[in-house]
This record gives sequence, structure tokens and C-alpha cells, in this order.
Amino acid sequence: DAGVIQSPRHEVTEMGQEVTLRCKPISGHDYLFWYRQTMMRGLELLIYFNNNVPIDDSGMPEDRFSAKMPNASFSTLKIQPSEPRDSAVYFCASALGRRDTQYFGPGTRLTVL
Amino acid sequence: AQTVTQSQPEMSVQEAETVTLSCTYDTSESNYYLFWYKQPPSRQMILVIRQEAYKQQNATENRFSVNFQKAAKSFSLKISDSQLGDTAMYFCAFYIQGAQKLVFGQGTRLTINP
Repeated sequence: DAGVIQSPRHEVTEMGQEVTLRCKPISGHDYLFWYRQTMMRGLELLIYFNNNVPIDDSGMPEDRFSAKMPNASFSTLKIQPSEPRDSAVYFCASALGRRDTQYFGPGTRLTVL
Repeated sequence: AQTVTQSQPEMSVQEAETVTLSCTYDTSESNYYLFWYKQPPSRQMILVIRQEAYKQQNATENRFSVNFQKAAKSFSLKISDSQLGDTAMYFCAFYIQGAQKLVFGQGTRLTINP
């Protein structure tokens, strides 16, 4: 079975540009999570969805960040406008049920110049 | 506050040795799960092992085992017969079921030397 798929793997953009990160969860999983990893703050949960509905977005840093899940097999995390401090690795993870292990995608390394 | 502490920022051992990574956590919850994830240079977060807090028996996965001390809120990872491919960052995490949230430690960078 395919794992969690993320694209792109690397993204380099300039400050002020819009950035869209994509995630395809493991088929059949009903929970989807977006994390950000930085040296300073480690791994932080940004937002999670259950059955395509956003449940907790308290980790989203500010209004420049938004996430959607239009269907069970696709989610996006958008940053508009991007800033250099958004540079990080962004992970998507999915799980089946509340007690299941979260399985992570390979991550997207974002660099904002 | 729910926190996870990994007190060893870096460790280094020789191939085939046994190494133990430490993790302590703080929570007032009674229903939770504990994990060790591995992050090699490829950046992928890979599940190593999982422990349910209600289970007294320590989890084991091949060369990986845990020492779960619930009263002490300690969850260490033992790697036996270490291999070069075990070189990675190791993250301890616990999962609060009610909050649907994984809380991670800061990680331990483990290097296996030939």
C-alpha cells in the first residue's frame, strides 16, 4: 500500500509569494494532520481534520496560513503571503480512527527567501 | 501542560552495541499512547514502536524494545545489536486521545559508528 504522499518535496519561493503544499493520505484513513518542524520549535501540530472537517486549527500560526480538505484523498496547506520565518519542513500524517498510529509523509522542505 | 523531555541531545555508539534513549513525559491524563519515531537523514518520520499506557507489558519490535515505567512517567527505547542504518534522530511522543494530539520531544540524535 502507498503511504502518505506529499508534494512538492522541496519548494523555494520568494517572500510575498503564495505557497501551496499538497497531501494525499493513506486510503481509508479518516484523520489527517499537518505538522511543521523547525530547529527552534521542533514538531508542532498545525491543524487536523476528521472526515474532511477541520477539528482543531489552534496551531495555525496566523491568518496567512489556511488548510482545506475537499475530499477524503486530498488536502492542501496554503501560505499567503509567505515570509522567511515560514521556512521549515511541513509534514502531513494520517490515521485510521482515534486510537491509531499516525503515519507520516516524507515532508515538504519549504524555503522562503 | 503536556510535555515530553528527551534529556540526551546526542548519543554515539559502536555498531553492534546496545543503546538506550531516555524519555520522560508529563500528563495528567490516564488514557494515552506512547511512541518512538525515527527520522533518518531522508527526513521521513518512521514509526519505531508504540506502547499503550494501559498495558503493563513492554512493547518489543525485533531489536527495539521499551522500558515503560508509568508511575515514573518514563518511556525509554533500547536498541540492541545496533546497525549503521539506525543512525537517525529519534523522537519520543505521546498521544492524548481526548485532544487527538501528538506531543513530541526535542529529539535525540543517534550516531552508530562502524
